[in-house]
Amino acid sequence: QEQLVESGGGVVQPGRSLRLSCAASGFSFSDFAMHWVRQAPGKGLEWVAVISYDASRKYYAESVKGRFTISRDNSKNTLYLQMNSLRPEDTAVYHCVREEYNNVYFDCWGQGTLVTVSS
Amino acid sequence: QSALTQPASVSGSPGQSITISCTGTSSDVGRYNYVSWYQQHPGKAPKLIIYDVSDRPSGVSSRFSGSKSGNTASLTISGLQAEDEAVYYCSSYTTTSTRVFGGGTTLTVL
Repeated sequence: QEQLVESGGGVVQPGRSLRLSCAASGFSFSDFAMHWVRQAPGKGLEWVAVISYDASRKYYAESVKGRFTISRDNSKNTLYLQMNSLRPEDTAVYHCVREEYNNVYFDCWGQGTLVTVSS
Repeated sequence: QSALTQPASVSGSPGQSITISCTGTSSDVGRYNYVSWYQQHPGKAPKLIIYDVSDRPSGVSSRFSGSKSGNTASLTISGLQAEDEAVYYCSSYTTTSTRVFGGGTTLTVL
């Protein structure tokens, strides 16, 4: 079945870096745009970034622009999020999310990986 | 990009109908018919229940419906059931090709 599995979360000090990964399976990964969406503990969903199916287009939320980089390796069916200059407010569960082909909605979500930024 | 505005909470009794609003701007909700709604139960990943303002994915109950007027989209749940108790989020495409979520609405079934 279609599945997204995130990894790479953990506890990191403010100002440090972390890279998240998302392994996709059960569908043709290279056909879909992919997103990262985060959810701070007890809070709502916040959209973070999107990458087109061929990595030619990338867009970011203002809150992470210049600090986070989204990328993908279609040969490995894997999505990444490089997070630099981390801040306490970046603490959240980070979900990898698929966008339905040629559409604008999220039809498949991973369970997420928790990132905690704390000294 | 500011979050879309949703009421923090709504409630209703089993069998009743409730409506959750989602207010954006002319740069997102008002500009495109790309509003989607998601249901999230505690400890679970969100689930798509409405897309493109009013379309339902296969397998989603017809008790869920969506609409839009101007800069405000709405989700209506009819015939409330206990299992509908969850947090609901709206989302929209924006003029800068980004996406934006609402703050979430907690639905309590009394």
